[in-house]
Amino acid sequence: GAGVSQSPSNKVTEKGKDVELRCDPISGHTALYWYRQSLGQGLEFLIYFQGNSAPDKSGLPSDRFSAERTGGSVSTLTIQRTQQEDSAVYLCASSPGTGRYEQYFGPGTRLTVT
Amino acid sequence: DQQVKQNSPSLSVQEGRISILNCDYTNSMFDYFLWYKKYPAEGPTFLISISSIKDKNEDGRFTVFLNKSAKHLSLHIVPSQPGDSAVYFCAASANTGGFKTIFGAGTRLFVKA
Repeated sequence: GAGVSQSPSNKVTEKGKDVELRCDPISGHTALYWYRQSLGQGLEFLIYFQGNSAPDKSGLPSDRFSAERTGGSVSTLTIQRTQQEDSAVYLCASSPGTGRYEQYFGPGTRLTVT
Repeated sequence: DQQVKQNSPSLSVQEGRISILNCDYTNSMFDYFLWYKKYPAEGPTFLISISSIKDKNEDGRFTVFLNKSAKHLSLHIVPSQPGDSAVYFCAASANTGGFKTIFGAGTRLFVKA
């Protein structure tokens, strides 16, 4: 079956612009995660959605970052007024979420803020 | 506060030998641990996991050991192959607070032919 997909694969934007990153999780997966990986760094947790529960936003670095998950499926991560330090690979993952913890990752979106 | 630590940023091993990747954690509430492998320009892929009720889980060439008293786990790869060269992430999850998972910073493994 289809895995997790993300779009765009690459995004170059000017400082101060808004960007939207999209994630299509595996069908039927109830949990969805966003992470960011800066150059040479590990995976930084951003936000987590589980079913209809309120999302865990504890990893969002500032109020310029927000995310939505519509209909329990597709998710969009929005970064407003982008800064150069936002440059990173943004990874989305989904999980069956029913007692199983393995996450299935998409290929990531490489964001470059110039 | 790093709850999951991988203190070795890189490891180099000869093909055919054992690779041992280490991970330490601080939160005693973690009850499920996972290892992921990541190749450049790809997302991480799940490799192997272990529940806190076990101390060992084996899958082919990969074995994960868990020492709860030391809050330490390790991934053994035997025999190591050049295709194993990648970044390996240790991750931990707690049943309380949902399925949030904390990742370590990763260890880059080089397997030399």
